[in-house]
Amino acid sequence: DAGVTQSPTHLIKTRGQQVTLRCSPKSGHDTVSWYQQALGQGPQFIFQYYEEEERQRGNFPDRFSGHQFPNYSSELNVNALLLGDSALYLCASNPGQGTEAFFGQGTRLTVV
Amino acid sequence: QKEVEQDPGPLSVPEGAIVSLNCTYSNSAFQYFMWYRQYSRKGPELLMYTYSSGNKEDGRFTAQVDKSSKYISLFIRDSQPSDSATYLCAMSADQGAQKLVFGQGTRLTINP
Repeated sequence: DAGVTQSPTHLIKTRGQQVTLRCSPKSGHDTVSWYQQALGQGPQFIFQYYEEEERQRGNFPDRFSGHQFPNYSSELNVNALLLGDSALYLCASNPGQGTEAFFGQGTRLTVV
Repeated sequence: QKEVEQDPGPLSVPEGAIVSLNCTYSNSAFQYFMWYRQYSRKGPELLMYTYSSGNKEDGRFTAQVDKSSKYISLFIRDSQPSDSATYLCAMSADQGAQKLVFGQGTRLTINP
C-alpha cells in the first residue's frame, strides 16, 4: 500500500519565480493538507483540500494557492518566490472525517 | 505566545532509559492530540493518536493527555538508539485533521 507520495524531492528556484509541488494521497484518503516546515521548527499549516475545495486555510499569503483533482491528488503553487519561502513542504492525507494524518517525505525547496 | 509549546531540547539519554516528552497548549478547543516522529530530512511519521483526555499505550510508547492542565506527554520505555529522532506533538480542534498545530519538536538522542 503506497503511502503519501510527493514530487519532486528537491527543488532550487530563483527569487521571483513560481513553483508547483505535487502530492498523491494514501490509498483510500480523500483529504489533502499542505504544511511548511522551516529548519528547526514544527510544520505550519498552509491549507486543506476536501472534495476539490479549500476547506480551511492557515496564515499564509495569497501567493500560496492549491488545487485538488478528482483523483484526490493535489498541487501547491507558490508565486513570486521569496528567500523566506525556502523550507520543507509537506503533504498530509487523511480520510474525510478521520483525524489521523499521514505525511509524505516532503519537497525541499531552496530559493536563491 | 505560541498555541503549542514544546521544549526543543536537545535531549540525550542512555539506551534503556525511560524518556518523557511534553507539550503544553493554550487553546482549550483542542481535542485531538498526536505525536509524530521525524528522522532527519524525512517526513513526520504518526506514532500515537489520542482523542480527548486519558492514556493510550502502544508497545513501548504511552501517550497521556490532561486537558484540565492543557498538558500532553509521550513516554518511551526501554529506549533504543533507533528512537533517536525529533518528536513533534500536534493537536487539532476539528475532526478531519483540519489545521494541525505543531510544537517546535524535541530532538532526542539515545546513546548506546
